[in-house]
This record gives sequence, structure tokens and C-alpha cells, in this order.
Amino acid sequence: GAGVSQSPSNKVTEKGKDVELRCDPISGHTALYWYRQSLGQGLEFLIYFQGNSAPDKSGLPSDRFSAERTGGSVSTLTIQRTQQEDSAVYLCASSERTLRREQFFGPGTRLTVL
Amino acid sequence: AQKITQTQPGMFVQEKEAVTLDCTYDTSDQSYGLFWYKQPSSGEMIFLIYQGSYDEQNATEGRYSLNFQKARKSANLVISASQLGDSAMYFCAMREGGVILTGGGNKLTFGTGTQLKVEL
Repeated sequence: GAGVSQSPSNKVTEKGKDVELRCDPISGHTALYWYRQSLGQGLEFLIYFQGNSAPDKSGLPSDRFSAERTGGSVSTLTIQRTQQEDSAVYLCASSERTLRREQFFGPGTRLTVL
Repeated sequence: AQKITQTQPGMFVQEKEAVTLDCTYDTSDQSYGLFWYKQPSSGEMIFLIYQGSYDEQNATEGRYSLNFQKARKSANLVISASQLGDSAMYFCAMREGGVILTGGGNKLTFGTGTQLKVEL
């Protein structure tokens, strides 16, 4: 079946602009995660959605970052007033509601802030 | 303190040989899960293998096995019969907390990775 998809695959923006990154999880997966991968910080957790529960936003680095998940499926990560340090690959993952809960990742969105 | 430590930034192995990638972890939880992911140069993270803290046997998935030593808090990945296509970055990750399906007990904490190069 189809895996996790993300769009766009690449995004170049100017400092101060807002960007939206989209994630389509695997059909039937109830949990959705956003991570960020950068050279300096490695792989960092950003936010987690599980069903209709309140999201775990503990990894969001600042209030410029927000995310929503509509209809328990597609998610959008929004970064407002982008800064150069926001440049990274943003990875989305989803998992089933099982004990193991292995996360399946999308191909990522490479964000470059000029 | 680092929750996941991978001490080998780079490893080389000859084709058809076995290789062990090290991972140690730090947690006070009794229930947790350990994962290994592969990230080829294409960038996608590929799930390889999972070990639950209460699993008595070491996990195996094809050519991958996980050498789980709970008392030492280590979860090393063993790749047998290496292939050229195994060249990639490998990440060890941990999920703390057990059967809780909501809240913070689901995020993965990753190590810094080991770059594996398989040579002819």
C-alpha cells in the first residue's frame, strides 16, 4: 500500500516568510508525528497526534511553529516568520495503534531559509 | 545525559561479512521500546527492527538481529552477510513508556547515527 507522503519535497523561502509543510499518513494509522533533522541537532521530535486526543507539542522549538491534523488524517506543519536556523529536513511519520507502534516515515521536506 | 548513545560515527565492513553497530540507552522506565532505522542517501528513514523491554528473546528480522542486553542497557544491531545496499546511516531510537497510547510516551528519541560503508 501507499506509504507516508509529504509535500513539497523541497522548499526554499526567504527569511521572515511563512511556510506550510504537508503530510499524508498511511491510511488507517491513528498516530502522526513530526520530526526535524538538521546537521547540528540530529533528529528531534516536534509534535505528535493520536486520534482525537490533544497533541503532544512538547518538542516544538518556539511559538512560530504550529501543526494541525484535520479529520484524523492529513497534517500541516506551519512555520511562521522563518529564520535561517529553521533550515532542516522535516520528517513526518505515522504508526498504528499497536503495542509496538513502529513509526513509518515519509521522504521528508527539505526546507531552506535564505 | 544522552538518552541514546551511538559511539561509532563511521564503520566499514567488507561485503558478506557481519557487522555490529553499537547502541546504549538511558532510561528509568521499566517499559520501553528500542528501534533501529536505516537512512540511505535518498533520505528516507526505513524501519528495520524492534525490541520491547519485556521481550525475553532478541529480535530478528531477516539479516538483522538485535543483541539486547538489558542490564547493560545496550541494544546493538547485528547485520549478517553485509551487502553493498546496506551502506547507509543507521539510527538507534527509543520510545519510553509502554502501553500508554496517548501523551508523551510515544515520541522517539534518536541517537546521532552510525554511517556504515560496505566495501567489496
